[in-house]
Amino acid sequence: DTGVSQDPRHKITKRGQNVTFRCDPISEHNRLYWYRQTLGQGPEFLTYFQNEAQLEKSRLLSDRFSAERPKGSFSTLEIQRTEQGDSAMYLCASSSEPRRDSSFGPGTRLTVL
Amino acid sequence: KQEVTQIPAALSVPEGENLVLNCSFTDSAIYNLQWFRQDPGKGLTSLLLIQSSQREQTSGRLNASLDKSSGRSTLYIAASQPGDSATYLCAHTGTASKLTFGTGTRLQVTL
Repeated sequence: DTGVSQDPRHKITKRGQNVTFRCDPISEHNRLYWYRQTLGQGPEFLTYFQNEAQLEKSRLLSDRFSAERPKGSFSTLEIQRTEQGDSAMYLCASSSEPRRDSSFGPGTRLTVL
Repeated sequence: KQEVTQIPAALSVPEGENLVLNCSFTDSAIYNLQWFRQDPGKGLTSLLLIQSSQREQTSGRLNASLDKSSGRSTLYIAASQPGDSATYLCAHTGTASKLTFGTGTRLQVTL
């Protein structure tokens, strides 16, 4: 069990550029979640997938954000036309059932200049 | 809106002390209550999960309790060590599958 992995770990970009993050969940987990965490705050839910289906999206997920999980395994989160307010840690988590432990990845730290 | 409050926001204790971290939530219809640890700039490590039918869970020096009727959970850390220094987050799963987090308690254990 290699745990949840995320790539890249750090991303620095200029305002207006597009960025894409990847998350590889624990292999037997069918649920995958994305969260965003800003400095001094707890993580906030963005979206989640059960297998390849995206079942819920937060109002935080503006139309500049899109997430996919095409084969029910890894997931990508894309942010288009980045803004300075998008600077945050983006965390991915997975679980085997909705009421079981969520395992988190190390996060991707995004800095928008 | 579901809210999770953690008190205190920051705590500094000398090594060896026992301590209690508090978490309160407004949604009594929770399924799970989970405690996490987060080191600076890192992801989250799950410490304890209490399912809605349970009242407490223990792992080593950690004990977490859950009182759904009062909307409270506590994390008890016995014989604290400098390595326990981190931010501790509580989160619950409600009717949806997502976790709703508190803002955390930043713990520093001094020598």
